[in-house]
Amino acid sequence: DAKTTQPPSMDCAEGRAANLPCNHSTISGNEYVYWYRQIHSQGPQYIIHGLKNNETNEMASLIITEDRKSSTLILPHATLRDTAVYYCIVRVVRNNNDMRFGAGTRLTVKP
Amino acid sequence: DTGVSQDPRHKITKRGQNVTFRCDPISEHNRLYWYRQTLGQGPEFLTYFQNEAQLEKSRLLSDRFSAERPKGSFSTLEIQRTEQGDSAMYLCASSVQGEGYGYTFGSGTRLTVV
Repeated sequence: DAKTTQPPSMDCAEGRAANLPCNHSTISGNEYVYWYRQIHSQGPQYIIHGLKNNETNEMASLIITEDRKSSTLILPHATLRDTAVYYCIVRVVRNNNDMRFGAGTRLTVKP
Repeated sequence: DTGVSQDPRHKITKRGQNVTFRCDPISEHNRLYWYRQTLGQGPEFLTYFQNEAQLEKSRLLSDRFSAERPKGSFSTLEIQRTEQGDSAMYLCASSVQGEGYGYTFGSGTRLTVV
């Protein structure tokens, strides 16, 4: 299974872009990159996913490098409510559909 | 649709007692997952169902744990003879089948074994 590496913590100023990196150097060609976040005392929340191309939705943008060995989640204008643990996950290559979470990055947005 | 519902939100039990948690997924989601999360760690996969069939169980799911999804809708997770090490947040998630779909998680059941 492809592993992911994320920094344990990051800070970001309110209103600035938050760029959260993820390394997945052993990713396979048919594995997707998923991002979730977990606000304290809540279940994880799906943010975005991608395979090869960059993706954008109302919450964030996902930039995947051309070699697919790393990606960056971008929150364009971070707010205090974006303070959370952010998880980068690479889907295991099976018929099953389980997501394996690591320790994630604790993002703190500061006023 | 109100999302994934879990009941109860909190449960305190004495060591050795049995507990059961319930999860109601999003109605059109045919896949349902159980995770466990301890303080400071990411969620750990326990098991998942496709409709009523339990297709995978983690090694974390000891013999004291059992999960069911009898009619392919709601699911229950039972822990028998609880131990203090079972104290954790138990999360349920659901999804539709396919590579390109994310999971929708419930708010979890926090279990404290005293």
